[in-house]
Amino acid sequence: AQSVTQPDIHITVSEGASLELRCNYSYGATPYLFWYVQSPGQGLQLLLKYFSGDTLVQGIKGFEAEFKRSQSSFNLRKPSVHWSDAAEYFCAVTGGGNKLTFGTGTQLKVEL
Amino acid sequence: GAVVSQHPSWVICKSGTSVKIECRSLDFQATTMFWYRQFPKQSLMLMATSNEGSKATYEQGVEKDKFLINHASLTLSTLTVTSAHPEDSSFYICSAGQGANTGELFFGEGSRLTVL
Repeated sequence: AQSVTQPDIHITVSEGASLELRCNYSYGATPYLFWYVQSPGQGLQLLLKYFSGDTLVQGIKGFEAEFKRSQSSFNLRKPSVHWSDAAEYFCAVTGGGNKLTFGTGTQLKVEL
Repeated sequence: GAVVSQHPSWVICKSGTSVKIECRSLDFQATTMFWYRQFPKQSLMLMATSNEGSKATYEQGVEKDKFLINHASLTLSTLTVTSAHPEDSSFYICSAGQGANTGELFFGEGSRLTVL
């Protein structure tokens, strides 16, 4: 069965600082990987996705993520965080198809 | 981009009553929609897959008689929480894929249910 682990429940960074959110997955074959962001009381918005090809993928709002098969990881990064980036971030995996398995999420707080 | 809308965004009901939540794809057709439940500060748990014109597929442990799902058209799926109890209070979210079965989903805004 597929699974996703987000080791960090909470992360606090200063505005302007760099950010890295960790995601490790378990899946037997090549996974499809996603990062979604959720603002309080809202649904989820897709930040970026990896299907195949270049392992460094660019997303919206200046985010990027790198797929590392050897480490079973898909960490999310941003060079300079803005206060509006404060939200909950979810990593998700599927082996194909629309049935996603989500991680437990990482709550990002941005200090001004 | 594709838009999925839920209604109502929040609802308060008395214990024992039933509540219906609607999920609409506004600018695309969705043969499949997904319903999730999210507890405070936790992840999304898939409840069921809603299939247009056929029965929904429920995840293990989800009571199908408790959470009735109807997907009568290509743009509308409904989740009815029957005989609601306080433990059913939660944030319910729906999603739909646009065409390709790739896992790229569009999510509704969510519906906050509080059962008194």
